[in-house]
Amino acid sequence: GQNIDQPTEMTATEGAIVQINCTYQTSGFNGLFWYQQHAGEAPTFLSYNVLDGLEEKGRFSSFLSRSKGYSYLLLKELQMKDSASYLCAGEGATNKLIFGTGTLLAVQP
Amino acid sequence: EAQVTQNPRYLITVTGKKLTVTCSQNMNHEYMSWYRQDPGLGLRQIYYSMNVEVTDKGDVPEGYKVSRKEKRNFPLILESPSPNQTSLYFCASSSGLAGMVAGELFFGEGSRLTVL
Repeated sequence: GQNIDQPTEMTATEGAIVQINCTYQTSGFNGLFWYQQHAGEAPTFLSYNVLDGLEEKGRFSSFLSRSKGYSYLLLKELQMKDSASYLCAGEGATNKLIFGTGTLLAVQP
Repeated sequence: EAQVTQNPRYLITVTGKKLTVTCSQNMNHEYMSWYRQDPGLGLRQIYYSMNVEVTDKGDVPEGYKVSRKEKRNFPLILESPSPNQTSLYFCASSSGLAGMVAGELFFGEGSRLTVL
């Protein structure tokens, strides 16, 4: 079967670092995506991993371990505007992108 | 400006009254898809299309129809809406490579549908 698991909610402090974990099971594997979704808005693309390792993009980094079916999104130097839902999504071999239910991150002053 | 445009953004309708949500993209993307988003359930794929005249079912296709007569347009049709189709709907597109979604999905702004 296909399944994406991530924590429902997280809280972090402005200026800190937070790691949002995601485990996945897909039929075949073509990549792991992270999207950001602010309340009332559309999801926007953050990152894509298909090979093991860390992809860094400014304050955001994403890590993938294919053997463990595991990924994380790392947000550094947190800002209030980073308060949003973070969606992990896995692409299997069937042209489908399966989304997790999202992790709602609250950044506090 | 590269974008995916959905209409209407908000709609309240009654059970059984056919409706169409339009979706158009200006990026010449081959891959287009419809999702619905419900609290606690995340984004679930309704239908997708790899190219013109090629459509396929996602995870929750019941009660919906789609068509892809032109590359830029991918309308979602609810022939006989029911209250359980009350949801937030997103259209998305990507350049997509053969056999893969690949690349970045661009989402429309969403259409909030209420069926009474």
